[in-house]
Amino acid sequence: DTAVSQTPKYLVTQMGNDKSIKCEQNLGHDTMYWYKQDSKKFLKIMFSYNNKELIINETVPNRFSPKSPDKAHLNLHINSLELGDSAVYFCASSQDRGVYNSPLHFGNGTRLTVT
Amino acid sequence: QQPVQSPQAVILREGEDAVINCSSSKALYSVHWYRQKHGEAPVFLMILLKGGEQKGHEKISASFNEKKQQSSLYLTASQLSYSGTYFCGTETSYDKVIFGPGTSLSVIP
Repeated sequence: DTAVSQTPKYLVTQMGNDKSIKCEQNLGHDTMYWYKQDSKKFLKIMFSYNNKELIINETVPNRFSPKSPDKAHLNLHINSLELGDSAVYFCASSQDRGVYNSPLHFGNGTRLTVT
Repeated sequence: QQPVQSPQAVILREGEDAVINCSSSKALYSVHWYRQKHGEAPVFLMILLKGGEQKGHEKISASFNEKKQQSSLYLTASQLSYSGTYFCGTETSYDKVIFGPGTSLSVIP
């Protein structure tokens, strides 16, 4: 059984396009996250939702808009894609809002390539 | 705010030991350790909580010195399967884990 699943696995698109990435978790966790991993493998937190409520919004361009229709789903929509958006985007979940003693479970990632 | 990890990279022969260090400029609630193999997702190894208790899992263990705001990951008798990038993640505020730049570990026969 897949715990945290993301679609699509690969996404190749041109500059200026709009795209979405979907994430679902079947662990019953309350909190979900989006992390961006760049070409240097740096993992940077972008957003976090707890029970559909946005709780973390790091310094991310407004072109990125997360949406959580329910606590098991967290989607990421990106408008007007730029070359610098190319990266691997990981969805993750944790049982509680606080990560103290609450491991992160990562999805397999979506490799976004903007040409 | 990002923690510092050292070394940046290490190459080991099977059976050798390694230590990966993680330090923060801020007080820590907890430290997470993850391993990521090439092309895969990061996988949770362990969490160290305030209190300094050393945790372990088989031949991989870790310690947390909250006064020094440091954690270390110990890999003993390394195996080929230990190869990957190791990330420490620090919790300096409630709600989020900030990851270090990673330590690339390669185990060769």
